[in-house]
Amino acid sequence: AQSVSQHNHHVILSEAASLELGCNYSYGGTVNLFWYVQYPGQHLQLLLKYFSGDPLVKGIKGFEAEFIKSKFSFNLRKPSVQWSDTAEYFCAVSPIYSGAGSYQLTFGKGTKLSVIP
Amino acid sequence: DAGVIQSPRHEVTEMGQEVTLRCKPISGHNSLFWYRQTMMRGLELLIYFNNNVPIDDSGMPEDRFSAKMPNASFSTLKIQPSEPRDSAVYFCASSILPASYEQYFGPGTRLTVT
Repeated sequence: AQSVSQHNHHVILSEAASLELGCNYSYGGTVNLFWYVQYPGQHLQLLLKYFSGDPLVKGIKGFEAEFIKSKFSFNLRKPSVQWSDTAEYFCAVSPIYSGAGSYQLTFGKGTKLSVIP
Repeated sequence: DAGVIQSPRHEVTEMGQEVTLRCKPISGHNSLFWYRQTMMRGLELLIYFNNNVPIDDSGMPEDRFSAKMPNASFSTLKIQPSEPRDSAVYFCASSILPASYEQYFGPGTRLTVT
């Protein structure tokens, strides 16, 4: 079974600082990768996704992520964070194979980001 | 576009009581997922349906949990009897499979069992 590790439980940054959140997964085959965001009191929303092609994917609100296959990583980045980016960020992986589990998302435990004005 | 609808948004119940959580997926979506979110375990998949049929329920914690999807626009997750350790936020998500792996989440139901 696949698993997802998010290295940081809680990250605190000042506005305008750069952000990088780590995500590593364990699965030997081909995967789809996602980052979801959960703003305080709200439901999960898709930030960006990688299915194939260019390993650098751009999402909403200035976020981007890079898939490095050799490192099984899919780190999330933003050059300059804003107070409104305060939220919890979840990395998720979905294996690509035929079978009952092929559409399941396995989530990491999440990283809380607090941005100080 | 109403999105995924869940009810109730908050539920407080006493141990031993039956709890029913409800979900209405996005119209046209053919797959529905139930997740549980806790501080200790994060976000866990409990069960998912495709075309109203349960495909994988290996995440359902025990026999006290059951889920149904009688039609394409409605699903329930039932806990009977409830226990304090069931306290969590329960999310429902829907998707169009196999066209898209993207899942759209509902606002969640915060369940507290005292």
